[in-house]
Amino acid sequence: EAGVAQSPRYKIIEKRQSVAFWCNPISGHATLYWYQQILGQGPKLLIQFQNNGVVDDSQLPKDRFSAERLKGVDSTLKIQPAKLEDSAVYLCASSLWVPGPLVRTGENSPLHFGNGTRLTVT
Amino acid sequence: GESVGLHLPTLSVQEGDNSIINCAYSNSASDYFIWYKQESGKGPQFIIDIRSNMDKRQGQRVTVLLNKTVKHLSLQIAATQPGDSAVYFCAEIWFRGNYGQNFVFGPGTRLSVLP
Repeated sequence: EAGVAQSPRYKIIEKRQSVAFWCNPISGHATLYWYQQILGQGPKLLIQFQNNGVVDDSQLPKDRFSAERLKGVDSTLKIQPAKLEDSAVYLCASSLWVPGPLVRTGENSPLHFGNGTRLTVT
Repeated sequence: GESVGLHLPTLSVQEGDNSIINCAYSNSASDYFIWYKQESGKGPQFIIDIRSNMDKRQGQRVTVLLNKTVKHLSLQIAATQPGDSAVYFCAEIWFRGNYGQNFVFGPGTRLSVLP
């Protein structure tokens, strides 16, 4: 199966500029996640979608970050205006939606990650 | 040996030796746990998972141990190879009602395999 596709692979911008990242999840995966991975740290969840609805955006800096998944497939993440501390790798991941009872009986669905977009803000 | 650097803890092992990577998790209600491997320039890749009602699971050259009493997870890699050099993350996963699963990642450990 084709994996999670992300673009661009690299982006360098100056602070206060804007930038957008694109993600195409694995076909049939209802759940899509955007993670921020700062150098030397584990991925941190920014936003989680189920189909085209937001499940969790509690850690998304909403004054500058926005994300959408209008048709429940592709997603874009935007930063406007960027700050120096936004320099990181932005990872998109997808998974099958698994109802609670199936999770508890073993039907686990791990995250499948794209290769990320490395953002450098100067 | 194991050391704590400025960012990631690093584990250095000789090729052919066994590696043990440790992880502490926070949520006692987590439903299952996953180990991911991340190579430079790539996204994390699934290695092995374990459900919360198990304490051990084996894969090809890898074993995951779960100790719920102390909320500790470990990944054992047998006969470590140069291709195992990467950063390893544990993730704890819990169910969000009708809204899928929540994945929370640990800080990671860099495994360096010495020739």
